[in-house]
This record gives sequence, structure tokens and C-alpha cells, in this order.
Amino acid sequence: QLQLQESGPGLVKPSETLSLTCSVSGGSISSTSYYWGWIRQPPGKGLEWIGSMYYSGNTHYSPSLKSRVTIFVDTSQNHFSLRLSSVTAADTAVYYCASLYCSGGRCHLDYWGQGTLVTVSS
Amino acid sequence: QSALTQPASVSGSPGQSITISCTGTSSDVGGYDYVSWYQQHPGKAPKLMISDVSNRPSGISNRFSGSKSGNTASLTISGLQAEDEADYYCSSYTSSSTLYVFGTGTKVTVL
Repeated sequence: QLQLQESGPGLVKPSETLSLTCSVSGGSISSTSYYWGWIRQPPGKGLEWIGSMYYSGNTHYSPSLKSRVTIFVDTSQNHFSLRLSSVTAADTAVYYCASLYCSGGRCHLDYWGQGTLVTVSS
Repeated sequence: QSALTQPASVSGSPGQSITISCTGTSSDVGGYDYVSWYQQHPGKAPKLMISDVSNRPSGISNRFSGSKSGNTASLTISGLQAEDEADYYCSSYTSSSTLYVFGTGTKVTVL
């Protein structure tokens, strides 16, 4: 059973870059069955898919965030990371990392981190 | 890629059944049997309730069931209980560049 844990600053200044890391335990980030994804949820709002990365380097990003987002995997550390540049108050949200299992005719988010609140404020 | 469409709220009395719809397109819900449903209680991470249209993960009550017809998927909660009061989100694989998409979310209220 996978366990995911987000880490990173809880406060980021406007125009700066938000950086979060998701540590994966209980399995390998090099698994061919998984994409590694980031999701966010602004206060009082719904879930928003940010994007994902396959261990091989293949990425998929939300069109609305694509110009500012980078997701990358560190197989040596068994973790993956999110960078979101030029943040504004609209980027204030709880950020979740999750594992997207896509294999054998199945595709769903099976494990989630607990989420971390990132506030954008000066 | 637009979000999948869900009703903003659904309510029911204890013991009743309710159904939440999730409408997409042929590029996501209608094109693949990869629709999932997540339950989220306040302050908590989402929890997988139904995967791949109708599969219940281990430990999920059989009061929860999923189905799909065309571009619309549905989650049915039977024998509604107070603990079912939460937000519910559908999601789907999509052939668009984004890979995955969520629904707009539905607040379930137990009267």
C-alpha cells in the first residue's frame, strides 16, 4: 500500500515560485503502472487537476496552468515535485499529491497525501 | 478541458437512495470506462469510493454503486446514513492533453 506525504513552505509571496515535494513510500516511483499527480483545492471550492508525470518523464498539465507549472520525478529519492511560478492570491489552496493507477484496463487515483495548505501573501 | 458537470447539491432522508450525475463528453466519460468517484469530508483528503465506473475498493460499503450511460456517469448511495453527508467528486481519464479531469463536485446533505 502506497503512502504519500507532501512537504514544502506554507507561505509564498506573490510573484514567487511555489515548490512542493511528495514523498512516496510503500512502492517505487518507477512503477510502470502509475502516473504521479498534483491536485489543488482553493478554500471552499472544488478539486482541480494540476498535472502529472510518468516516471519516464512524460508530463500532462492543465491548460490553464501549463505556462507556469513544472512537475518532475526524482527516482533516486523516490519522490516527485511541483513548481508553480509567478503565483498570485488565486493560487492559495490545499495542494494534494496522489498516485494515478492506470494499468490493466483500470485508471483511478488510488492513494492521496493528506494535503498541505499553501497561502500566497506578502 | 472543461470540468465534468455535477449538480451542486443533492439531499435525502436517512434510509433513502440518492443519485449523483456526472456529465462529460465522448473524450472523457463517454469514451472510457475510467470514471471514479471520491468522497470528501471537511478538512480531509478525498477518498476513493468507486473506480472504473462501478468497482468498489476493498472496505467500501455496498451501499455505494456506480454506473454509466453514454456521456453521463452516476453514483447511487442507497440506505442513506448521516455519515454519508460530504462532498462527492467524479473524475475521468481524458484523451485531451491534460490526462485527467474532475467534476464540479456535489454536496450531499442528509436531512
